[in-house]
Amino acid sequence: NAGVTQTPKFRVLKTGQSMTLLCAQDMNHEYMYWYRQDPGMGLRLIHYSVGEGTTAKGEVPDGYNVSRLKKQNFLLGLESAAPSQTSVYFCASSKGQGIQPQHFGDGTRLSIL
Amino acid sequence: TQLLEQSPQFLSIQEGENLTVYCNSSSVFSSLQWYRQEPGEGPVLLVTVVTGGEVKKLKRLTFQFGDARKDSSLHITAAQPGDTGLYLCAGEGTGTASKLTFGTGTRLQVTL
Repeated sequence: NAGVTQTPKFRVLKTGQSMTLLCAQDMNHEYMYWYRQDPGMGLRLIHYSVGEGTTAKGEVPDGYNVSRLKKQNFLLGLESAAPSQTSVYFCASSKGQGIQPQHFGDGTRLSIL
Repeated sequence: TQLLEQSPQFLSIQEGENLTVYCNSSSVFSSLQWYRQEPGEGPVLLVTVVTGGEVKKLKRLTFQFGDARKDSSLHITAAQPGDTGLYLCAGEGTGTASKLTFGTGTRLQVTL
């Protein structure tokens, strides 16, 4: 079982460049989430989606955009990368409303120079 | 913004010792989850607690949800090297589309 797959696993960007992180899940989950993880700060929610075609802002959405054109995919875009966006990015999915566990990918380590 | 503070931030102990990790907030959560994360991987769910005062046991791990549903603790008995990892608590607020607020994390190292 693949579960949640994130690509790429590593990336180095220059300030001002753009890129898209891809998240794919094969569990037919309704909800999907993008987090960033920084030392000493746990995981912070960037954007999330409660279904195909829907997206919503999380705790730290500035500088990021997302799209959920297909139920199984959730894309995170950086329009103009900044050094402050250097982080490890995690995608997660869950079945839907109610008390559900979130299933995480293995992360994308992104460095902005 | 709901915040979850975990303590301690770091813990290094020897095999066989007991330990407790705390997760505290001023906010009420409808449920609380504990995850463990190993290097290079995403967090994996250990347990979910829902009712105030609830206690759940998972082998050598004991989880408790505070009576007021604002705090939680994780107690590990006779720690083993395989328990090494980053432990994260995560609270689900009421009516929040299953969004989780994650704690700051406790990094545990268990040595032989």
